[in-house]
Amino acid sequence: ETGVTQSPTHLIKTRGQQVTLRCSSQSGHNTVSWYQQALGQGPQFIFQYYREEENGRGNFPPRFSGLQFPNYSSELNVNALELDDSALYLCASRRDRSYEQYFGPGTRLTVT
Amino acid sequence: LAKTTQPISMDSYEGQEVNITCSHNNIATNDYITWYQQFPSQGPRFIIQGYKTKVTNEVASLFIPADRKSSTLSLPRVSLSDTAVYYCLVGDLDTGRRALTFGSGTRLQVQP
Repeated sequence: ETGVTQSPTHLIKTRGQQVTLRCSSQSGHNTVSWYQQALGQGPQFIFQYYREEENGRGNFPPRFSGLQFPNYSSELNVNALELDDSALYLCASRRDRSYEQYFGPGTRLTVT
Repeated sequence: LAKTTQPISMDSYEGQEVNITCSHNNIATNDYITWYQQFPSQGPRFIIQGYKTKVTNEVASLFIPADRKSSTLSLPRVSLSDTAVYYCLVGDLDTGRRALTFGSGTRLQVQP
C-alpha cells in the first residue's frame, strides 16, 4: 500500500475520443509524474509536475497533457486517442528532493 | 536521455545472492541511479537509490563504480517472492529536465 490511488482501474475508449485519468497522491508529496507502460515494456516517462507546474516531459505529443491541484491530486488527459495509446498508465508521487517515488496501481486503458 | 541496458532475464534459486547489473554510459553529473521492483499488475516499488560508491538498506545493496557508467543491484538470499521485474532508472528528479528512463527491465525468476 503506497498511499497513491488512481481511478478508474480500467477504461475502454474508442479511437478519436478523449480520456481523463486521475491520481491522488500522498499528503505532502508535491511532485507527481505520469508514466505509460505498454505490455511487456518498462514504464515510459510522460511528464512531471511540481507545485502545479510541468517541469519535465518525455517524448510524448502535446495531446498528452496534465494538471496538478493543490490538494495533491492530478490528472492525465489524452486527446484524439489512438490504438497505440492502449497501455497501463501509472502515476507516481514523491516529496520534494526525494528520489523515492510511490507508484499507484495504474489505470488500464484500452482503445478500440 | 540517460539510456540504460540490463539483462533481459536471470534465473536463481532460493537462498542465493543475485546481482543485476545496469549499464548507463551517458549518465550525467546530476543523475542519480534508482532501482525499482515490479510485480504483475502492480506499479513499481522503490528498492534503493544511490549516486556513487555503495549504498545498503534492509533489502538490497547498490554498488556504483567511480566512473558511474554502470551499477549493480545485489539481492542477498532471494526467496520465491523476489520473482519480479527489476528496473534500473537514471535521471535527475529534481529538475525533470532529463527525462526519467526505465529500461526494459530484468525479469528475475527464483526457483525453489
